[in-house]
Amino acid sequence: ETGVTQSPTHLIKTRGQQVTLRCSSQSGHNTVSWYQQALGQGPQFIFQYYREEENGRGNFPPRFSGLQFPNYSSELNVNALELDDSALYLCASSLAVASGELFFGEGSRLTVL
Amino acid sequence: DAKTTQPNSMESNEEEPVHLPCNHSTISGTDYIHWYRQLPSQGPEYVIHGLTSNVNNRMASLAIAEDRKSSTLILHRATLRDAAVYYCILRDVGGSQGNLIFGKGTKLSVKP
Repeated sequence: ETGVTQSPTHLIKTRGQQVTLRCSSQSGHNTVSWYQQALGQGPQFIFQYYREEENGRGNFPPRFSGLQFPNYSSELNVNALELDDSALYLCASSLAVASGELFFGEGSRLTVL
Repeated sequence: DAKTTQPNSMESNEEEPVHLPCNHSTISGTDYIHWYRQLPSQGPEYVIHGLTSNVNNRMASLAIAEDRKSSTLILHRATLRDAAVYYCILRDVGGSQGNLIFGKGTKLSVKP
């Protein structure tokens, strides 16, 4: 059973650019959620996808968008990058049950210069 | 989701038990209590969760107060590998399944 994998692990972008981060869910998991973790802070919920539809969103602007594919893998896209977007981006997969645990990947570290 | 309050940091000696407290005085009847931990340079890792009764698993035990306004995560014998940030999170059973509200957690240091 493979865990949650994310790519790339590290990347550097400049202000105004766009970035795409990728996530492969744990086998059999149909729900994926994305989090942003700034240095020294706990992760903050960006949004969740279930069966290719967004079904929950945190307090993030529309330039944060996502996709979920039929195989349940997912992408996070961020347009018009700002310096404050520098953070660790975490993907988590789960089964769509009320008390199910989330399985997190190791994250993608984005630096915006 | 209701808020939780945890100490910023705690220290423990290796091979001793550790009790990590969490206050959640505004918990509702449909809130589960979840604990995750995050080791350095890794994503968060599920530890345990419960609703009303105490819970045990291979990693830890969760003791829930009778009024559910507080809980304690118990690591029975701390190891160096247990040094991490521990997050206590409340999640409404009817809420968005993947939406966990993380606070700053408790940074646990384990001394050899």
